Amino acid sequence: DTGVSQDPRHKITKRGQNVTFRCDPISEHNRLYWYRQTLGQGPEFLTYFQNEAQLEKSRLLSDRFSAERPKGSFSTLEIQRTEQGDSAMYLCASSTRQSAQETQYFGPGTRLLVL
Amino acid sequence: AQKITQTQPGMFVQEKEAVTLDCTYDTSDQSYGLFWYKQPSSGEMIFLIYQGSYDEQNATEGRYSLNFQKARKSANLVISASQLGDSAMYFCAIPISGGYQKVTFGIGTKLQVIP
Repeated sequence: DTGVSQDPRHKITKRGQNVTFRCDPISEHNRLYWYRQTLGQGPEFLTYFQNEAQLEKSRLLSDRFSAERPKGSFSTLEIQRTEQGDSAMYLCASSTRQSAQETQYFGPGTRLLVL
Repeated sequence: AQKITQTQPGMFVQEKEAVTLDCTYDTSDQSYGLFWYKQPSSGEMIFLIYQGSYDEQNATEGRYSLNFQKARKSANLVISASQLGDSAMYFCAIPISGGYQKVTFGIGTKLQVIP
């Protein structure tokens, strides 16, 4: 049983550059989530997909951010024209509804540093 | 809106002793769940334990148990027989509203286990 994987694990980029992160969920999970975590804070919800449909986006997700899940499997999160304030850990999680409890399982995260 | 409060920024515990990490919450939902996650320095969020608001018994999972007091809106995590590997950040979380798709986290408690 493989868990959620994310790639890359670390990314250093210069301000103004575009970056793209990938998330591969647990194979039988139809829901996929993106979170951002800054230093000293808990994760903050960004967006989530049910299969290939993006059902909700947080106000944190500015126009420079775009997420896709084209075939309902892996997902990508792209940040265009990065800013120093984008430096954070980006976490992906997946879940499936099996009972009244629906637990999100997280990947190892991608640490982004914008110089 | 749903909210999680974790008032202990850091805790120390002697190896093999038990420790309680506090979590209080605010929700307008009648039915809800509470989650605890562990985040080691590597960054991955590891699911530990879940408590449903209508569960009659406090949740237990190995060395982890929840002291759930619904009337006080608290869901404290108890770790028994602490091990050095328990040193990590611990986050309490609650779904934001309705379904379990959006989860809000507290700011976490840093636990350090002393040999």
